[in-house]
Amino acid sequence: GESVGLHLPTLSVQEGDNSIINCAYSNSASDYFIWYKQESGKGPQFIIDIRSNMDKRQGQRVTVLLNKTVKHLSLQIAATQPGDSAVYFCAEKAEGDYKLSFGAGTTVTVRA
Amino acid sequence: ETGVTQSPTHLIKTRGQQVTLRCSSQSGHNTVSWYQQALGQGPQFIFQYYREEENGRGNFPPRFSGLQFPNYSSELNVNALELDDSALYLCASSSQGIVSYEQYFGPGTRLTVT
Repeated sequence: GESVGLHLPTLSVQEGDNSIINCAYSNSASDYFIWYKQESGKGPQFIIDIRSNMDKRQGQRVTVLLNKTVKHLSLQIAATQPGDSAVYFCAEKAEGDYKLSFGAGTTVTVRA
Repeated sequence: ETGVTQSPTHLIKTRGQQVTLRCSSQSGHNTVSWYQQALGQGPQFIFQYYREEENGRGNFPPRFSGLQFPNYSSELNVNALELDDSALYLCASSSQGIVSYEQYFGPGTRLTVT
């Protein structure tokens, strides 16, 4: 599968392969993290979330991994499909805070 | 679809004018947050409303203001529009109280300031 060791703004992946999108966060006080998918002309769509007391959470075809030691978050998409082409954002929330802080986003393009 | 609706879809305004954007939250949600998304960037938090009061604010000037109504719908008002205000404005609703977790976004209003 395709993976990104560091955060890169774009990721091209072959249909059917697994893809990994990485995100580094800055606030060690963040206690909640979310991945969103945003298609062109639409608002961000909730994919999966994870709290800081967990290091892994699985959904349908997606897995989020959290490494608090290095402040790193990743989203794994299994068997990537053309409909997965979009911009993916990670967002974090600090404990006691009310706002989400978004990362720069990764544009995923699925090749047929 | 999240059930969060926004109006209008698109809007073109002239520098110096005022604009009002509207958001209806998802059924059962009592908290609305507003975000500004410039082209090619992630959303930036403007403010959040809970129980009809501003609950927190990002780094935006006072000419950005809002309201929340008893039915939990919300408005974002921007006075003295500037060219840099051109962006996608998103609202997100959630069901938590002071500390919101899952936030569900509407489709956004595309504002162009000329």
